[in-house]
Amino acid sequence: QVQLVQSGAEVKKPGASVKVSCKASGYTFSTKDIIWVRQATGQGLEWMGWMNPNTGNAAYAEKFQGRVIMTRNTSISTAYMELISLRAEDTAVYYCTRGSYIGDFSPWGQGTLVTVSS
Amino acid sequence: QSVLTQPPSASGTPGQRVTISCSGSSSNIGRNPVNWYQQLPGTAPKLLIQSNNQRPSGVPDRFSASKSGTSASLAITGLQSEDEADYYCASWHDSMSGSWVFGGGTKLTVL
Repeated sequence: QVQLVQSGAEVKKPGASVKVSCKASGYTFSTKDIIWVRQATGQGLEWMGWMNPNTGNAAYAEKFQGRVIMTRNTSISTAYMELISLRAEDTAVYYCTRGSYIGDFSPWGQGTLVTVSS
Repeated sequence: QSVLTQPPSASGTPGQRVTISCSGSSSNIGRNPVNWYQQLPGTAPKLLIQSNNQRPSGVPDRFSASKSGTSASLAITGLQSEDEADYYCASWHDSMSGSWVFGGGTKLTVL
């Protein structure tokens, strides 16, 4: 079955960077976009951007421009989301999901908690 | 402040019908399809409805949705205790760079 498995929880200091991985299985990795969404504790969902695993092209939400980098390694069907210059308000659960331009985001990874604290 | 507006909470008793609204603008819902996601407590979101009213395989037909103008709504009939969850609407927002936007979420309580 289609599955996305993310890397484990991270604790970072303000100003540091974090890189979250998302390993895909059960389908051809290059055929669906990988999307990243985050959710602060008790808050709603926030779209960060998406990447085409076939071309490596990515588009980011304006809020994260210059701070987020989405990449992939097609040989191991894994996508990555790196967020730099972390601040306390970046503390959240980060999800990867797959989908297309119509927003059919499914399934979702289990989520990765990133805590930013001094 | 979310671009799409949902009521923060909704409730119903088992067997009832409940609806959750999602209000947007001509830049998002007014010109693009709406998707709905269900997030059970402590779990990742799950796609519930795509392209305004299409249920993915495995989603019970108790769940339905519609769109009119710049608003959309999700309906759940025959409410069950396991439907207690947060529900989010989402749509593409047309702007200079464009982005996916979500509603703030509606917490559904089954009384």
